[in-house]
Amino acid sequence: GQNIDQPTEMTATEGAIVQINCTYQTSGFNGLFWYQQHAGEAPTFLSYNVLDGLEEKGRFSSFLSRSKGYSYLLLKELQMKDSASYLCAVLDSNYQLIWGAGTKLIIKP
Amino acid sequence: GAVVSQHPSWVICKSGTSVKIECRSLDFQATTMFWYRQFPKQSLMLMATSNEGSKATYEQGVEKDKFLINHASLTLSTLTVTSAHPEDSSFYICSARSQGQEIDQYFGPGTRLLVL
Repeated sequence: GQNIDQPTEMTATEGAIVQINCTYQTSGFNGLFWYQQHAGEAPTFLSYNVLDGLEEKGRFSSFLSRSKGYSYLLLKELQMKDSASYLCAVLDSNYQLIWGAGTKLIIKP
Repeated sequence: GAVVSQHPSWVICKSGTSVKIECRSLDFQATTMFWYRQFPKQSLMLMATSNEGSKATYEQGVEKDKFLINHASLTLSTLTVTSAHPEDSSFYICSARSQGQEIDQYFGPGTRLLVL
């Protein structure tokens, strides 16, 4: 079956760095997405990785290792507004998104 | 560009009534639209995939007679929850993509349904 695992909840301090991990087992792979979702809102796109390596975009970076079925989202200089759920999703061989359960990130002052 | 809207954003209805949710792509032609459901503290669950002009493909466990999906044009898909019950209360989100753009999927803002 298809499976995506990510931690349920993480806590970090304002101004710090946090890494959210995601491991996946899917039928085919056409890329991995990270989305941010605030409570009561739809997901918003953060990053897309299809090749191995690190993609940096401002305070957010995303890493992918296809051989390990592993990705992480790195958030630097955390701000209170970064408190949200972070969803890992893989585009499978049918170009269908397979979603992780999401990681709720709590930022403390 | 690539904006998807949903209407209504909030709906409260009585048990047994039907509710229609619209999903529109405002500035592109959405050949494929996806309907998701999300319960509190859970991830998105794909309900069905619809291609313009053809019948929707429903995921296992989703009742096609209860969740009617119509994708009659390249900019509009509708989801009708028929004979809604309290357990249908959820956050319904649509997304859309255009032909040849399998990577890019654009999400609507979601519709929160509360069935009393």
